[in-house]
Amino acid sequence: EPEVTQTPSHQVTQMGQEVILRCVPISNHLYFYWYRQILGQKVEFLVSFYNNEISEKSEIFDDQFSVERPDGSNFTLKIRSTKLEDSAMYFCASSDLGLAGYEQYFGPGTRLTVT
Amino acid sequence: DQQVKQNSPSLSVQEGRISILNCDYTNSMFDYFLWYKKYPAEGPTFLISISSIKDKNEDGRFTVFLNKSAKHLSLHIVPSQPGDSAVYFCAASPAPPQGAQKLVFGQGTRLTINP
Repeated sequence: EPEVTQTPSHQVTQMGQEVILRCVPISNHLYFYWYRQILGQKVEFLVSFYNNEISEKSEIFDDQFSVERPDGSNFTLKIRSTKLEDSAMYFCASSDLGLAGYEQYFGPGTRLTVT
Repeated sequence: DQQVKQNSPSLSVQEGRISILNCDYTNSMFDYFLWYKKYPAEGPTFLISISSIKDKNEDGRFTVFLNKSAKHLSLHIVPSQPGDSAVYFCAASPAPPQGAQKLVFGQGTRLTINP
């Protein structure tokens, strides 16, 4: 069964450093997303991406964040200068608006720890 | 932001009985509702969804009910099995603009199935 994959599973970085989180969405999906979950809190939407551009972004997704689909398979989230409060689980998701509906399929997540 | 609320942080059910998880929402623009299941250290796994034009959707042991006038939905699992023990998230989405829609999640309900 096709699945969303994410690498790395755990990333530790120092405050102020840049990190890139990587995702491989399900191959025939057209819509891509990043969410995050700070420990003990809700899963929060960060950004959606379609047709090589951002469709929507949340207030969290400020100028320190960027997304890119550098080739036909990868989808990346870059945090330019990490802050302590960026520590969270980051989930990539993808979806396809076929007859199946609007379901988003999530990857296993990357745990980002900023020290 | 409490647009989607799951008021029960935890629920304990005996194996073989029915589990009922509840979710309320406030935004009348929500058009599509989903339930996800999450195990520790994994991403959310899609379970079942329902469009606002329906009031019930069933898939095997899982049934979702939607009451639009009350802005309430519920997930019924029957019979409950030990493998159902997980955190369950309710999520909602507005009618998607150009197809890429964000999901708004509830806080989650931890379901424990007791043998």
